[in-house]
Parts: sequence; structure tokens; C-alpha cells
Amino acid sequence: AQSVTQPDIHITVSEGASLELRCNYSYGATPYLFWYVQSPGQGLQLLLKYFSGDTLVQGIKGFEAEFKRSQSSFNLRKPSVHWSDAAEYFCAVVAGAGKSTFGDGTTLTVKP
Amino acid sequence: KAGVTQTPRYLIKTRGQQVTLSCSPISGHRSVSWYQQTPGQGLQFLFEYFSETQRNKGNFPGRFSGRQFSNSRSEMNVSTLELGDSALYLCASSLGANRGEAFFGQGTRLTVV
Repeated sequence: AQSVTQPDIHITVSEGASLELRCNYSYGATPYLFWYVQSPGQGLQLLLKYFSGDTLVQGIKGFEAEFKRSQSSFNLRKPSVHWSDAAEYFCAVVAGAGKSTFGDGTTLTVKP
Repeated sequence: KAGVTQTPRYLIKTRGQQVTLSCSPISGHRSVSWYQQTPGQGLQFLFEYFSETQRNKGNFPGRFSGRQFSNSRSEMNVSTLELGDSALYLCASSLGANRGEAFFGQGTRLTVV
């Protein structure tokens, strides 16, 4: 069965510092991978997606992610974090028709 | 283009009651998925409908049911509510391809007292 692991429950970074959020997946076939962001009490907003092709994908709000098949990873990065990036981030793998399996999420706190 | 609309945004119900939540997908989207989000269990898949047919189902008891109408709007129903059903219920819509990206609504916050 497919699964997604986000090893870091909570990460704190200073504003302007770089960010990397980790995601490891388990899936039998070529995965379709996503990163979403959720602000408190809100739905999920899609940051970026990987279907195939270039393993470095660019998303909205200056985020990027790199797919590494050998490591079963799809880590999210941002070179310079802004205070408005504080939120919860979810990695997901599409596991079937209309069904996504999500990691437990990583809460990002940004220090001024 | 309007996004995914979920109604109501907030709901308080008593144990034993039933509740119906509504989701209007993005125009042209034929797939609607439902998820339950709780602090303890995270985001869990409930079920997915495509062209009025349930295509996929998660591991939830039969008290949780859904349906989709010909205009792609979807409802989910929870009967005999339990305290543990308190959660944020999220709806996502997509075009319907097996591995397409999903767009989420803001959710319905259900509190069972």
C-alpha cells in the first residue's frame, strides 16, 4: 500500500533563511506527487506537483521540490522564507482515482 | 472561475444526530473526493465520486455515505454522530483523470457535542 512520511512534525526557521521540508513516499509504480499548504482553519492549496519529466519542479510562492527516485523522496525547498509562509505543509501521493494519501504534515514556524 | 465551495462552513450537532455536508466542485470538474481531517489521524480519504458513481472508498464505517448529482455537486452524510466524528471535512474536485491534481474547498468544521 502507498504511504507518505514527513519526518519533521515541526520546523522553525528565521525569516530570510532557507527551508527544506522532507517527504518520503512508498508507492509501487511511478508516483504522482504533490505538496499542499494549509493555513489554520482553511483548505489545502496546491503548491506544486510532479507527474514526470524534469525532477526539479517549480511551484507557486517561490517553492520548488526535487523528485529523487533512488531515495523515494520529494523534498520541498524555498531559498528565503517569508513570515507569511508560516503554515502546515502536506506531501501527498495520488494512489488511485480521486484518492490521495497524505503525510502527517509539517508545521512551519517563522521567527522574525 | 469559482473555486470549490463547501457549505456550511461550521456546524454543531449532538451525538446521535445525522448531518449532511455539501460540496460544489469547480465548473467542469466531474470528480469529487471527501477527506476527514483530525489532529490525531491527519487527513484521511473517505470516498470519491465521478459521474455520480462511487469509484473509490476509504476505511470508514457505513455511517459515512455520499452521493453525487448530475451537476457534479456532492453531498456526504454522517448518521448517528459520535464525538469522534468532530473534524474538518474537506472536499476536493478534479477533472477526473486517474491521477489528476485536486483542488480543495475551505472545509466544513463539524463539532459533535
